[in-house]
Amino acid sequence: KAGVTQTPRYLIKTRGQQVTLSCSPISGHRSVSWYQQTPGQGLQFLFEYFSETQRNKGNFPGRFSGRQFSNSRSEMNVSTLELGDSALYLCASSFQGQQSEQFFGPGTRLTVL
Amino acid sequence: GENVEQHPSTLSVQEGDSAVIKCTYSDSASNYFPWYKQELGKGPQLIIDIRSNVGEKKDQRIAVTLNKTAKHFSLHITETQPEDSAVYFCAARPNNNNDMRFGAGTRLTVKP
Repeated sequence: KAGVTQTPRYLIKTRGQQVTLSCSPISGHRSVSWYQQTPGQGLQFLFEYFSETQRNKGNFPGRFSGRQFSNSRSEMNVSTLELGDSALYLCASSFQGQQSEQFFGPGTRLTVL
Repeated sequence: GENVEQHPSTLSVQEGDSAVIKCTYSDSASNYFPWYKQELGKGPQLIIDIRSNVGEKKDQRIAVTLNKTAKHFSLHITETQPEDSAVYFCAARPNNNNDMRFGAGTRLTVKP
């Protein structure tokens, strides 16, 4: 069974730009969660999507948004990039979200210059 | 909300020794406690998990214990090997949502 895939793996942007990251969950998994990982703040929950609906949201500004498609693939978007948005963005999929194990993808390393 | 604290932040052991990493959580509604291993350049990999209705779980050289009263859980790795070297994260998740809260991580180094 293929694992969680994320594209692109690496991305360099400049302040003020916007970026879209993509995540394909494990086949059959309907829940996709996004996390931001930085050396200073560690792993922080961004949001979770289940059956095309945002089910939970972490404490991030509105510049961070996401969506999920009918095939469970998910995208997250960050608008008006700031230097502090430089991080590893991780996507995790699970069968149904709550009460299910989460499996992480390799992440997208975003650098904002 | 949930707050997870993890200790120690770094741990160095000799090959063959045991390693123990400890976490505490604050939200008594948390009922799912996974442990992840993250190697350089990779995403976290689930290595073991425990639910609040169980006190201990073991999988070969890895075990996790949970004390619900004290709100702490621990990861035990026996007979450590150099390939166990990585960053380990504990996490806690409440029953009513998927907002997983992670500890700050422990960098484990196993010296051959």
